[in-house]
Amino acid sequence: GQQVMQIPQYQHVQEGEDFTTYCNSSTTLSNIQWYKQRPGGHPVFLIQLVKSGEVKKQKRLTFQFGEAKKNSSLHITATQTTDVGTYFCAGPVDRIFGNEKLTFGTGTRLTIIP
Amino acid sequence: NAGVTQTPKFRVLKTGQSMTLLCAQDMNHEYMYWYRQDPGMGLRLIHYSVGEGTTAKGEVPDGYNVSRLKKQNFLLGLESAAPSQTSVYFCASSPRGDSGFLNEKLFFGSGTQLSVL
Repeated sequence: GQQVMQIPQYQHVQEGEDFTTYCNSSTTLSNIQWYKQRPGGHPVFLIQLVKSGEVKKQKRLTFQFGEAKKNSSLHITATQTTDVGTYFCAGPVDRIFGNEKLTFGTGTRLTIIP
Repeated sequence: NAGVTQTPKFRVLKTGQSMTLLCAQDMNHEYMYWYRQDPGMGLRLIHYSVGEGTTAKGEVPDGYNVSRLKKQNFLLGLESAAPSQTSVYFCASSPRGDSGFLNEKLFFGSGTQLSVL
C-alpha cells in the first residue's frame, strides 16, 4: 500500500493566502524530493532535502525535512495564480541494486481563487 | 536537448488489444522508469530499469511488460489491454547517483493519455 502519505488532498485558497502541504512516510527516508505538476503537465523537480531538520527556501516556497526524517512540508507564502498545480513529495522506501527508487505521495492539488 | 520524449501522446484501445508506449531520453541517463497516474493515487511505479538490458518490477507491474534494449529507450507494453489500465502514463529518467545512496532527480516525459474501452 501507499507508504508516503500527503495531506490535504485538495486545497483551495484565495490569492495572497498561504498554503502548506504535509508529507509523511512510514519509514525513515535518506532524502525527500518535491515535484510540481501543472494542470495537464508533467511533474517537474523542485528540490531535494537530505539532512535531518533541513530547511530550504526558493523565493516564496519553504521546504522542511523533519528531525526524524519521516516527514516533510512545503509552505508557500502569499500564493499567486502561477502556484496552481499538484505538489508531490517522493521518497525512497525501498532499496534495489544498492540504489533507491522513489515512492510518490498522493499529492496535494492547489487551486487559487483570484 | 529534447529531454524525455514519449510517444504517442494519446491512444484509445479496445479491451484485449495490445500496444507499446515508447520512451526515449537523450541525457545519457542510466535509470528509467514507467509510472501511471490515476486520480487520488499519485504516481505509481510500474517497472523500472537501472541499465541497458535490465528491468525490474515496481509497485503495480501486472498486465505490463517492459524492455530496455538500448540505453536511451524504455518500452512499455500492454499485451491485452483492460479498462483498469485507463490512465496517464509517464516515463522518467535519472542519472546514477554519485554516492549510490541518494536519488538523483527525475526528469519526466509529457505523458501518454490511454483510454481502454
